[in-house]
Amino acid sequence: DTGVSQDPRHKITKRGQNVTFRCDPISEHNRLYWYRQTLGQGPEFLTYFQNEAQLEKSRLLSDRFSAERPKGSFSTLEIQRTEQGDSAMYLCASSLAGSKGNYGYTFGSGTRLTVV
Amino acid sequence: EDQVTQSPEALRLQEGESSSLNCSYTVSGLRGLFWYRQDPGKGPEFLFTLYSAGEEKEKERLKATLTKKESFLHITAPKPEDSATYLCAVQAPGGSYIPTFGRGTSLIVHP
Repeated sequence: DTGVSQDPRHKITKRGQNVTFRCDPISEHNRLYWYRQTLGQGPEFLTYFQNEAQLEKSRLLSDRFSAERPKGSFSTLEIQRTEQGDSAMYLCASSLAGSKGNYGYTFGSGTRLTVV
Repeated sequence: EDQVTQSPEALRLQEGESSSLNCSYTVSGLRGLFWYRQDPGKGPEFLFTLYSAGEEKEKERLKATLTKKESFLHITAPKPEDSATYLCAVQAPGGSYIPTFGRGTSLIVHP
């Protein structure tokens, strides 16, 4: 297992376009999280899944954002009608429920989104 | 309301010059406090989890400590490869235990 994988690493899009990011978590992890990070800030929680169920969404997650995790494996995060304020690093992390965070979350390298 | 405040925002050290980073938190009933290291353009890398006041964890030149109000990340005799942003996150009481991150401390160690 090579850790958490995110694709693409970088995405440049025009304002108003839709974009989709993919995250492949560590295979034995049943929890998957999406965070957003802007320059000089810490990661901000967006949403998380346990298996295929989306259990929590942040108020930061506007109606233009949607996330899925079909079959409890990989996850996708889609942003519709992108705005310049959506420019950020989108981070995915995974963990094993019940581990009490003993080993923290394992983060991917992120997808850097630039909206022009 | 900020639950996690990290200081300083930026720190420059000479190689071998030991120092400490601070993470103060306001949540009551802390479930856990995490330290992460983040290199430019990469995701955070897990370092430590602390659960109760008085607990300490060590890894190479890093040592994390926890009190009821704050945590310190002590860096002993740092090397240039320790240059990174160090993030603190706290897990508040609640069903989901989603951690809240601070803004981080950007550390630069000069050779």
